[in-house]
Amino acid sequence: GAVVSQHPSRVICKSGTSVKIECRSLDFQATTMFWYRQFPKQSLMLMATSNEGSKATYEQGVEKDKFLINHASLTLSTLTVTSAHPEDSSFYICSARDLALASETQYFGPGTRLLVL
Amino acid sequence: AQSVTQPDIHITVSEGASLELRCNYSYGATPYLFWYVQSPGQGLQLLLKYFSGDTLVQGIKGFEAEFKRSQSSFNLRKPSVHWSDAAEYFCAVGANGNKLVFGAGTILRVKS
Repeated sequence: GAVVSQHPSRVICKSGTSVKIECRSLDFQATTMFWYRQFPKQSLMLMATSNEGSKATYEQGVEKDKFLINHASLTLSTLTVTSAHPEDSSFYICSARDLALASETQYFGPGTRLLVL
Repeated sequence: AQSVTQPDIHITVSEGASLELRCNYSYGATPYLFWYVQSPGQGLQLLLKYFSGDTLVQGIKGFEAEFKRSQSSFNLRKPSVHWSDAAEYFCAVGANGNKLVFGAGTILRVKS
């Protein structure tokens, strides 16, 4: 149980284009999902908290117009990197909390590696 | 604000030897504490968690961790390491109802 998937697992795009990353909770419902960014050999940094049916809450320093988050259902959140630039290249990981369990535990997806050329 | 310190960036142990990964946290109240493991290019897998109760927590893959309030620590242990345990380990503290704050991670190498 508590499986989270991400799609795509890898994406390469040209500078200036937009990229959408999907995060799905496969066997549970999640009112809250989280988006993290991880640079090589570094820890995870929380970018934003995604709440189903409402606007995402962004961490300080994260541009909300650049990293668009949509959480339209209890099992799907999307992160769109708009007008991507090479400095946006990173490993993006999502996580989700199980609504039914009302637990603080976050279950993580396998991550999406983005390379912007 | 809460913070997590993992003082060891790299640790190398021999297969079959015991392991202890250190984690210290800073948080005003009783924290939720987690250990996650990440293999290269992969997401994070939950090893164990502490919310309350027994301060010695058992997890998956033979790992355990002990919460010591007086030392603000939540060290991860395993009595006998296997080569497949080689990975990066992250300690995290949960607070404010939602957010996780991660330590910098400890890379474990296992030599045969």
